[in-house]
Amino acid sequence: ETGVTQTPRHLVMGMTNKKSLKCEQHLGHNAMYWYKQSAKKPLELMFVYSLEERVENNSVPSRFSPECPNSSHLFLHLHTLQPEDSALYLCASSQALSYEQYFGPGTRLTVT
Amino acid sequence: AQTVTQSQPEMSVQEAETVTLSCTYDTSESDYYLFWYKQPPSRQMILVIRQEAYKQQNATENRFSVNFQKAAKSFSLKISDSQLGDAAMYFCAYRRNYGGSQGNLIFGKGTKLSVKP
Repeated sequence: ETGVTQTPRHLVMGMTNKKSLKCEQHLGHNAMYWYKQSAKKPLELMFVYSLEERVENNSVPSRFSPECPNSSHLFLHLHTLQPEDSALYLCASSQALSYEQYFGPGTRLTVT
Repeated sequence: AQTVTQSQPEMSVQEAETVTLSCTYDTSESDYYLFWYKQPPSRQMILVIRQEAYKQQNATENRFSVNFQKAAKSFSLKISDSQLGDAAMYFCAYRRNYGGSQGNLIFGKGTKLSVKP
């Protein structure tokens, strides 16, 4: 498989559940990103990892917890979410921070 | 803080015609990149074209070209000979080119482009 993949593509979870989103890139990149895309709002950068170290955390609530075990994988652990967290969560990767970002197809998250 | 504004929530174009999508941005920096991304209904965001701020020449990629006006902080996308496959959300984005936060893409709200057969 090529490019950036994300699983699952759709997720419905209750407010008390714990779930994880997975992102995998097959491009040999060193930087990975999580974005949140809500209806009628600009994409919001959540986290940035470069060489497996977090370099950016844009005031994201602690109920979102990222993990980057290696340069090919990025996770977003979710717990005690709120209905307003329902959105499309996009993962991206780039060769380095200053290079173009390639996006995955996203995970459509619904919190009930 | 940098901001990106797309003033056209929706646009429509006839197949084979030309359409221009608008984007303005606000920054106090001089070294940055600008991008147009396309997000079709399948949701995979695809890079369409990029422009380096220090280059005066407008970027072109086949049927896609930009009109970059640095002084006016304007970065419009022109799609020529529109095709049905061009129907998508188009996002304008900004990124600084130095220092911290190099990876931070700042997006506009997007323009939904419809192509009529």
